[in-house]
Amino acid sequence: GQNIDQPTEMTATEGAIVQINCTYQTSGFNGLFWYQQHAGEAPTFLSYNVLDGLEEKGRFSSFLSRSKGYSYLLLKELQMKDSASYLCAVMDSNYQLIWGAGTKLIIKP
Amino acid sequence: NAGVTQTPKFRILKIGQSMTLQCTQDMNHNYMYWYRQDPGMGLKLIYYSVGAGITDKGEVPNGYNVSRSTTEDFPLRLELAAPSQTSVYFCASSSLDSADEQFFGPGTRLTVL
Repeated sequence: GQNIDQPTEMTATEGAIVQINCTYQTSGFNGLFWYQQHAGEAPTFLSYNVLDGLEEKGRFSSFLSRSKGYSYLLLKELQMKDSASYLCAVMDSNYQLIWGAGTKLIIKP
Repeated sequence: NAGVTQTPKFRILKIGQSMTLQCTQDMNHNYMYWYRQDPGMGLKLIYYSVGAGITDKGEVPNGYNVSRSTTEDFPLRLELAAPSQTSVYFCASSSLDSADEQFFGPGTRLTVL
């Protein structure tokens, strides 16, 4: 079966760095997406990786290792507004997104 | 551009009732999707469409129907509502390129009692 695993909840301090991991087992791979979802709101796109390596976009970076079925999202200089759920999703061989349950990130002052 | 809009925002249904969730996008996207999101679970794909007149089942299609008569609109129909359909429903759209992000509507919170 297809499976996306990510931690349920993480806590970090304002101004610090946090890494959210995602491991996947899917039928085929056509890219990995990270989305941010604030409570009660819709998911919004953060990043897309299809090749191995690190993609940097401002305070957020995303890493992919296809051979290990592994990705992480790195958030630097954490701000209170970064408190949200972070969703990992893999596009399978049918070009459908398989979603993880999300990691709830709590930022403390 | 309004992006992806959904109506209604909230709805309470009685068991056995039917309703249609509306979804409209103004970005001229070919791909449209319906997801449901239950607490503590990942988004589950209900139905998707790759263009007007073409729809296909996702992971959890039972109890739902869709149509796509125009590029802009992709309504989701619930027939004979059941408590298991209590969820948050999101409509999304994307362009042809598989690497493109999906844009989500604000969601419909549905409770079936």
